[in-house]
Amino acid sequence: DGGITQSPKYLFRKEGQNVTLSCEQNLNHDAMYWYRQDPGQGLRLIYYSQIVNDFQKGDIAEGYSVSREKKESFPLTVTSAQKNPTAFYLCASSIEWSEQFFGPGTRLTVL
Amino acid sequence: GQQLNQSPQSMFIQEGEDVSMNCTSSSIFNTWLWYKQDPGEGPVLLIALYKAGELTSNGRLTAQFGITRKDSFLNISASIPSDVGIYFCAGYTSGTYKYIFGTGTRLKVLA
Repeated sequence: DGGITQSPKYLFRKEGQNVTLSCEQNLNHDAMYWYRQDPGQGLRLIYYSQIVNDFQKGDIAEGYSVSREKKESFPLTVTSAQKNPTAFYLCASSIEWSEQFFGPGTRLTVL
Repeated sequence: GQQLNQSPQSMFIQEGEDVSMNCTSSSIFNTWLWYKQDPGEGPVLLIALYKAGELTSNGRLTAQFGITRKDSFLNISASIPSDVGIYFCAGYTSGTYKYIFGTGTRLKVLA
């Protein structure tokens, strides 16, 4: 089955630690995205990548970093510089001007 | 970042009733998408629209791409309890690789 996988489903981090969220897709999509969702809120764009080895900052990139070494993978690192990292993180992929599909999400909690 | 105006913000309806919600933008879009999100899950794509005036159905759901290309509408007929969730609209402009999301409509169905 084609789709997007995110791991882990739940992640706990101590303050001051970096943590990496995984996102893999087998849809053969060129573009991939990371969004943050806070309780009762909409989606805010963190980073996006149109093609391998290229990515752009979204609206709330501070305190986050990404890499795009393979078409299928777009990991997100939440660094210690992110002051309020507790949130629900969603990965997505798409073909240009077409449907965007989402993964199941990772809930990150800072202890 | 930009967000689309989505209304209503929330609604309670009786099982069997029809539901209407809409999304408006100050910008024109080439693509409109409608999603449903259940608690703790990623958004699931319901309907994609690609042409001004287009009317597309998916079971009990019908969506329309506004003639001005600045709005879109979603209707749910004969609502059932499993329709409960948050519905998001999203607009896309060719060449931007960015999807702009609405603020969401929270739907609650009373049995």
